[in-house]
Amino acid sequence: RKEVEQDPGPFNVPEGATVAFNCTYSNSASQSFFWYRQDCRKEPKLLMSVYSSGNEDGRFTAQLNRASQYISLLIRDSKLSDSATYLCVVNTDSWGKFQFGAGTQVVVTP
Amino acid sequence: SAVISQKPSRDICQRGTSLTIQCQVDSQVTMMFWYRQQPGQSLTLIATANQGSEATYESGFVIDKFPISRPNLTFSTLTVSNMSPEDSSIYLCSVQDRESPTDTQYFGPGTRLTVL
Repeated sequence: RKEVEQDPGPFNVPEGATVAFNCTYSNSASQSFFWYRQDCRKEPKLLMSVYSSGNEDGRFTAQLNRASQYISLLIRDSKLSDSATYLCVVNTDSWGKFQFGAGTQVVVTP
Repeated sequence: SAVISQKPSRDICQRGTSLTIQCQVDSQVTMMFWYRQQPGQSLTLIATANQGSEATYESGFVIDKFPISRPNLTFSTLTVSNMSPEDSSIYLCSVQDRESPTDTQYFGPGTRLTVL
């Protein structure tokens, strides 16, 4: 079983709509959680950290559910520029042990 | 966040040869890492580049195949040795610029390697 699992998608989303997707992780000792965005043929870039209480950054909302061991990302009012692959990243308290999900592809259409 | 550059950005190499990838950071960072991202896959950690000592390799990766140097807090190299087509991948360096292991990693632009 993979340590971090994501629905690969693609999620085809009309411009202006809302899309949400989850990521599950297997290590209950995981300490920190992130969403990264990766555009085609580019490096991953941090989108947001995910905090226990949930957090929002503009149109993006991230939630953490430790009991069920998943994190979620919700994108409101989708823009064409939101089209990308969203990587779920989970870290235990070991140095550099970032576990990456395979990514969820989002395609926002006009 | 730190500004990270990698050289070369891409290369096409013959099997059996070696390629050294450079990663330069514009500030001193505690931790530097090397990842591989094969086509259609997510990122896999190769090793942690330790300043002044041997790198720490993840399961499935060995020093003879992926020698790493880190002479100071702003620079590291990864060599892909005796390449085969299976080594075709994007190689990314990343850094953590704080002391906590749970802090964010930032990535360089990657080196796209094709082995013929």
